[in-house]
Amino acid sequence: KNEVEQSPQNLTAQEGEFITINCSYSVGISALHWLQQHPGGGIVSLFMLSSGKKKHGRLIATINIQEKHSSLHITASHPRDSAVYICAVRSPSGGSNYKLTFGKGTLLTVNP
Amino acid sequence: NAGVMQNPRHLVRRRGQEARLRCSPMKGHSHVYWYRQLPEEGLKFMVYLQKENIIDESGMPKERFSAEFPKEGPSILRIQQVVRGDSAAYFCASSPPSGSGVGELFFGEGSRLTVL
Repeated sequence: KNEVEQSPQNLTAQEGEFITINCSYSVGISALHWLQQHPGGGIVSLFMLSSGKKKHGRLIATINIQEKHSSLHITASHPRDSAVYICAVRSPSGGSNYKLTFGKGTLLTVNP
Repeated sequence: NAGVMQNPRHLVRRRGQEARLRCSPMKGHSHVYWYRQLPEEGLKFMVYLQKENIIDESGMPKERFSAEFPKEGPSILRIQQVVRGDSAAYFCASSPPSGSGVGELFFGEGSRLTVL
């Protein structure tokens, strides 16, 4: 069973700051997801990655498979980025690679 | 192309009643997943369905919970004789078939169940 740890649990930043959220997992995976959830809202999938780096607008996600670690970066943060960011890992390829194990999330608050 | 549609968004039930949560996947998606998010806890996998088949229900409580994804119509998560501990947000996600495994996941807005 994979354990997914995120840090920090809570993060407060000023508008414009560079944000980093970290995710570590304990066993091999086939892919890693970064998700965004606004309070009381739905879940939006930001990235799915299995190696390297992906960029979408001000968001960058990286993964190091050997170190079992991923980071989500937000450049030029804005109050509308305030949300819970959730890391989820997918079981290794095979019969159950659809299963996701989720971290507990990082609550990001960006103040104007 | 509408996203994953869940309804109701909010549902209030008294202890002992039944709750039915519906999920319509994105057009063209044949895989549906249900997850539960208990207050102050992370999301947990409940069940994975394809049309007319339950592929994996290992995350479902053994009693009172059932899920289906019929040939026509939405997927339904059914909770019988609800208890206060069932109060949670229930999220559905869907994905298209993918030749190299499960594809990108698309989530719904969730259904928030409150049991009085």
